[in-house]
Amino acid sequence: GAVVSQHPSWVICKSGTSVKIECRSLDFQATTMFWYRQFPKQSLMLMATSNEGSKATYEQGVEKDKFLINHASLTLSTLTVTSAHPEDSSFYICSARDAATGDSPLHFGNGTRLTVT
Amino acid sequence: DAKTTQPPSMDCAEGRAANLPCNHSTISGNEYVYWYRQIHSQGPQYIIHGLKNNETNEMASLIITEDRKSSTLILPHATLRDTAVYYCIVRATNNNDMRFGAGTRLTVKP
Repeated sequence: GAVVSQHPSWVICKSGTSVKIECRSLDFQATTMFWYRQFPKQSLMLMATSNEGSKATYEQGVEKDKFLINHASLTLSTLTVTSAHPEDSSFYICSARDAATGDSPLHFGNGTRLTVT
Repeated sequence: DAKTTQPPSMDCAEGRAANLPCNHSTISGNEYVYWYRQIHSQGPQYIIHGLKNNETNEMASLIITEDRKSSTLILPHATLRDTAVYYCIVRATNNNDMRFGAGTRLTVKP
């Protein structure tokens, strides 16, 4: 089945530094990928929609200059958390849909746990 | 605005069927019902989806009422590994994104 791979699975960084998270579709092409954030004991919240070859679309309240998204190819999207602060500590999850199939479900990566110290 | 309503938690005995309800009274004609589950500290796992007919796969069955205002996910023989948060989501085919509600935390007990 379709696989979405995220890297790294966990990362610890110091406050003020930037962290890049990669999301790859391994056996399919994805013109659109999605980034979610999940705080403890809460549901997934959609942060942004990443479109291959164009600018990402951010949800209300998500700072585009803080969460930089690049979708340079049909199989890779990256999320960079810039100038990270402890409140950015969260579980970040990406998802993608196979562009070749019409009504197909989203496939999710296994998430990246970010801890900012 | 939440498009679906699910009970916050349910328990099920191991080996018994787990029936998870979902209300989606404002569902539109072009919206599918999707079910995902999330085991602790993992990404959501796709289970099943349907439009109006009942669906079955190797993981579960999906029963959608005739008026499409509610559905039930059935895990026929729950195991301890089925303990997870189960999310019911409605999504139109022309919408790319998928938005999660609070889900139902299913605990399968020995």
